[in-house]
Amino acid sequence: EVQLVQSGTEVKKPGESLKISCKGSGYIFANYWIGWVRQMPGKGLEWMGIIYPADSDTRYSPSFQGQVTISADKSISTAYLHWSSLEASDTAMYYCARHPPDTTLLTSFDYWGQGTLVTVSS
Amino acid sequence: QSALTQPPSASGSLGQSVTISCTGTNSDVGGYNYVSWYQQHPGKAPKLMIYEVSKRPSGVPDRFSGSKSGNTASLTVSGLQAEDEADYYCGSYAGSNNLLFGGGTKLTVL
Repeated sequence: EVQLVQSGTEVKKPGESLKISCKGSGYIFANYWIGWVRQMPGKGLEWMGIIYPADSDTRYSPSFQGQVTISADKSISTAYLHWSSLEASDTAMYYCARHPPDTTLLTSFDYWGQGTLVTVSS
Repeated sequence: QSALTQPPSASGSLGQSVTISCTGTNSDVGGYNYVSWYQQHPGKAPKLMIYEVSKRPSGVPDRFSGSKSGNTASLTVSGLQAEDEADYYCGSYAGSNNLLFGGGTKLTVL
């Protein structure tokens, strides 16, 4: 069974750094692109970026380029989303999601993690 | 680029059908056959319901169907059931390194 399990809720202050994680199981993690999606409170979905764990090829949405860093460690089947300096506007639920194989990149996400709630407040 | 346009709400009675629209441009919805639809229940992660305009992943009931005409894609839910009440989001490939989502539609089953 394919599963993506994300790290737990985070409460941080503005200016702090943060790295959240997404561990895949039930499939060959390295061979599938993993994306990150933001959902701000009461709002819709926004694609942030995507990584191919086998070689760490990473693409970013123009809206998030330079704002976050996506990485992966294929040896432990885990992808990460990192902020170097959080802002209050980063408060949101963040989902990781797997991209299906054998299709053009950024066409859909077939399996999703449970989400990580990040709250940034002074 | 702007998000795709969805109606904020839709409703239908038990057993009836409802259609949710998703409007984009010829640079996204109209330009590619890569529209997807996601169902999200409150407090839960999104679930893929339709991909590549009209294909259903394994396990998704055939009550859910997708289509596209020009720059507008549609999700139709037939034989509405109580558990279909959720938020629905469309997504579309928008060219190199870009994926757009719609703002979401809250489906109410009356």
